[in-house]
Amino acid sequence: LAKTTQPISMDSYEGQEVNITCSHNNIATNDYITWYQQFPSQGPRFIIQGYKTKVTNEVASLFIPADRKSSTLSLPRVSLSDTAVYYCLVGRMDSSYKLIFGSGTRLLVRP
Amino acid sequence: NAGVTQTPKFQVLKTGQSMTLQCAQDMNHEYMSWYRQDPGMGLRLIHYSVGAGITDQGEVPNGYNVSRSTTEDFPLRLLSAAPSQTSVYFCASSYTQGQRFGYGYTFGSGTRLTVV
Repeated sequence: LAKTTQPISMDSYEGQEVNITCSHNNIATNDYITWYQQFPSQGPRFIIQGYKTKVTNEVASLFIPADRKSSTLSLPRVSLSDTAVYYCLVGRMDSSYKLIFGSGTRLLVRP
Repeated sequence: NAGVTQTPKFQVLKTGQSMTLQCAQDMNHEYMSWYRQDPGMGLRLIHYSVGAGITDQGEVPNGYNVSRSTTEDFPLRLLSAAPSQTSVYFCASSYTQGQRFGYGYTFGSGTRLTVV
């Protein structure tokens, strides 16, 4: 399983764009990149998933460069309710039952 | 509503007691798993199952048992509770083989367990 490295914490202000970068230098050809969000006292919630280039949904965008050794989760115009822990995970779609969570990035959005 | 249901939400046990944490999903997901999350930490995989009758160990399986007799249910048993098992437990489910891209795992709301 590819190991991931994320910043421990980030601060932002309401209305700003937030970019959280995850490093996964030993990502394998069949690995996908998935991001989850977790609020206090709740289970993680799936945000976005990608393989290469750019993926966008109603919540976020995921940017993956050609070498796939890193990925960036982009949250446009954050609000106070985006304060949460964000996890980057890397794994194969057919073996994701061994998906391992790291410590994540604690995002604090200030007014 | 479709999703993952965990019961109970809160539980206090005495050291040495046993109990079962329940997890049920109604999305016909093949894969189910249990994680524990200690304060300020990430999630650690305890046990997982890729289908009825099939289970395997994760990162921290000691002190826990699981079984998967149906697709819907995946209970977690604490054999003899210890204070080190005080944690929040999350159950998750997803598709496996030919997993549907863009869906990820669905997590339950958690069981907060305290062992005194």
